[in-house]
Amino acid sequence: QKEVEQNSGPLSVPEGAIASLNCTYSDRGSQSFFWYRQYSGKSPELIMSIYSNGDKEDGRFTAQLNKASQYVSLLIRDSQPSDSATYLCATLRLYNFNKFYFGSGTKLNVKP
Amino acid sequence: DGGITQSPKYLFRKEGQNVTLSCEQNLNHDAMYWYRQDPGQGLRLIYYSQIVNDFQKGDIAEGYSVSREKKESFPLTVTSAQKNPTAFYLCASSTERTGEQYFGPGTRLTVT
Repeated sequence: QKEVEQNSGPLSVPEGAIASLNCTYSDRGSQSFFWYRQYSGKSPELIMSIYSNGDKEDGRFTAQLNKASQYVSLLIRDSQPSDSATYLCATLRLYNFNKFYFGSGTKLNVKP
Repeated sequence: DGGITQSPKYLFRKEGQNVTLSCEQNLNHDAMYWYRQDPGQGLRLIYYSQIVNDFQKGDIAEGYSVSREKKESFPLTVTSAQKNPTAFYLCASSTERTGEQYFGPGTRLTVT
């Protein structure tokens, strides 16, 4: 079983819609959670961090964490074609502080 | 201007040659990492270092070596023992305060 699971997609949404990206993780010791955006041929860019249960909003992005269900999600409101990218979910384990686990990423296509 | 630099951006080598990829950061981060990404795949951890003069093998360390003589620098050597070295190599660093990990622009290595 992979530490972090994501649907590879592609997830296609029309411009202006809400894109919903999901991620599950296997280790209950995971305490920190991150979303990265990676454009084709570029390096990953950190867009959201979340550490406690609930929602965290930053502009058009909302990260949601449910530790009981071991589930993290990223909502992108008013999706734009420039949001088209691969989104990586990552976790940081509590007892090995500096080791990150990445999902394989979900490819998002926003159609004009 | 704080950040992580990797050089060169593109690197071409003949099979059987060792090659060293540079990674420098001026973010004052203690932890640094090397990942490999193959086309359409997620990130795989090669090596990581939490402090100077100490580093640990990641999931795919065979055929690679690193050093951490300075806090700012974490070079990666791809040796001739690495069977399939052609890939996109990403260096990252993280802050213990938030756990957030940031990536350099990457080096695309092609071995023929």
